[in-house]
Amino acid sequence: KNQVEQSPQSLIILEGKNCTLQCNYTVSPFSNLRWYKQDTGRGPVSLTIMTFSENTKSNGRYTATLDADTKQSSLHITASQLSDSASYICVVSAFWGGSQGNLIFGKGTKLSVKP
Amino acid sequence: NAGVTQTPKFQVLKTGQSMTLQCAQDMNHNSMYWYRQDPGMGLRLIYYSASEGTTDKGEVPNGYNVSRLNKREFSLRLESAAPSQTSVYFCASRDGGGSPFFEQYFGPGTRLTVT
Repeated sequence: KNQVEQSPQSLIILEGKNCTLQCNYTVSPFSNLRWYKQDTGRGPVSLTIMTFSENTKSNGRYTATLDADTKQSSLHITASQLSDSASYICVVSAFWGGSQGNLIFGKGTKLSVKP
Repeated sequence: NAGVTQTPKFQVLKTGQSMTLQCAQDMNHNSMYWYRQDPGMGLRLIYYSASEGTTDKGEVPNGYNVSRLNKREFSLRLESAAPSQTSVYFCASRDGGGSPFFEQYFGPGTRLTVT
């Protein structure tokens, strides 16, 4: 069964600290992996999209890594800010083709950054 | 550009009532999607429209109908609302034809409560 598992479910860190969120997937055939940020009361917004040939991708203070062999990804946030408080969703796209919405969503990690 | 807009933002219905959620995008995208997001679960696809004039069922279509009114607009209708349909509903759109390397944009969501 195609699944995306994220850990931890929730995380509280102090402002200025770093953190790493994890994502494991069993989607096949794999096409790409995305990380989305979802602020409370808003829709998800894309942070990164990585194909199987990419190991690392950065977007400002956000750095995503991908190990396609072990089917694991991580999202590292550096020097956290209060505005980083959000849910972070790992999404895997499969090579089913077409436009039928072949995205498999994880349940998300809820990050709270405290002053 | 407004991106993807949804109306209403909030709605309370009684069991058995009907309503239509509206979605519009101004990015000239071919494909549009309706998802629901429930606590502790990933986003789940309800219906999608690969192009104007076509609609298809997603993972959880029961109890819903959709209409792709034109290229810009994609509506979701609940004919007889049930408490199990209490959720946050997100509309999304994307271009890219059949390529899996697309960017998908989400609306701000409609929070629906059925009592």
